[in-house]
Amino acid sequence: SAVISQKPSRDICQRGTSLTIQCQVDSQVTMMFWYRQQPGQSLTLIATANQGSEATYESGFVIDKFPISRPNLTFSTLTVSNMSPEDSSIYLCSVKRNEQFFGPGTRLTVL
Amino acid sequence: RKEVEQDPGPFNVPEGATVAFNCTYSNSASQSFFWYRQDCRKEPKLLMSVYSSGNEDGRFTAQLNRASQYISLLIRDSKLSDSATYLCVVSYTTASGTYKYIFGTGTRLKVLA
Repeated sequence: SAVISQKPSRDICQRGTSLTIQCQVDSQVTMMFWYRQQPGQSLTLIATANQGSEATYESGFVIDKFPISRPNLTFSTLTVSNMSPEDSSIYLCSVKRNEQFFGPGTRLTVL
Repeated sequence: RKEVEQDPGPFNVPEGATVAFNCTYSNSASQSFFWYRQDCRKEPKLLMSVYSSGNEDGRFTAQLNRASQYISLLIRDSKLSDSATYLCVVSYTTASGTYKYIFGTGTRLKVLA
C-alpha cells in the first residue's frame, strides 16, 4: 500500500490568488499524478510529475495555470494559479504501485 | 462520447438486495479494468480489479466482456456500509508509452435500512 498525505485538506480562496497544494508519500515513487474532481464529475488527470524533469500535462491543462514541482521522490506540489470560481474542485495526488493510491484530497473553493 | 460511461444513479436498494452496475468503455486497446469505491468526501479506493475470466471477492463479482467493451459489478446481500459511489476505471498505454487511468463518473449506491 501507499500512505499519502496532502496539505491543506481544504481552503477557501479569493479570485485571482494562487494556492499551492503539497503531497507527501511514505516511500519513494518515480511518478506522482495530480487529478482534479469537479463536483459531480469524474476524476480528470491534470499532469504527471516526474522527479528531475518537467511535468507532463494532459490536454486542457497548462504549466502556467498549474505549475508543478517534484523536488524529490517522495514529495510534489501543485499550484493553482490566478484562481477563478471554475477552479473550485477537489485536487487529488496519486501514486501507482500495484494499484493506484490516492491522497485524501484538497477541497478548494474559490469565491 | 466519454471514454468510460456509467449510469450515475442513484440506485436506492433495500438491505439484502442484489444490485448490478454496468460500465462501457470506448478504447478497444484498454488493458486493465478496475472498480473503485469512493465514499462521500473521501478519496477513491480500489475495490477490485476485473479479469477477463470474471472474478469474485466475497459478495462482490466483477465481469468483463471485451467484445462488447462492457464491465459489470454485482453486489449481493447489500449492506448499509456498501453505500458509496462506485467508479469504473479503465487503463491503457498510449502511443508514447504513457500509462493512463480513465475514470467513469461513478454510480451512486444508497442501501436503505
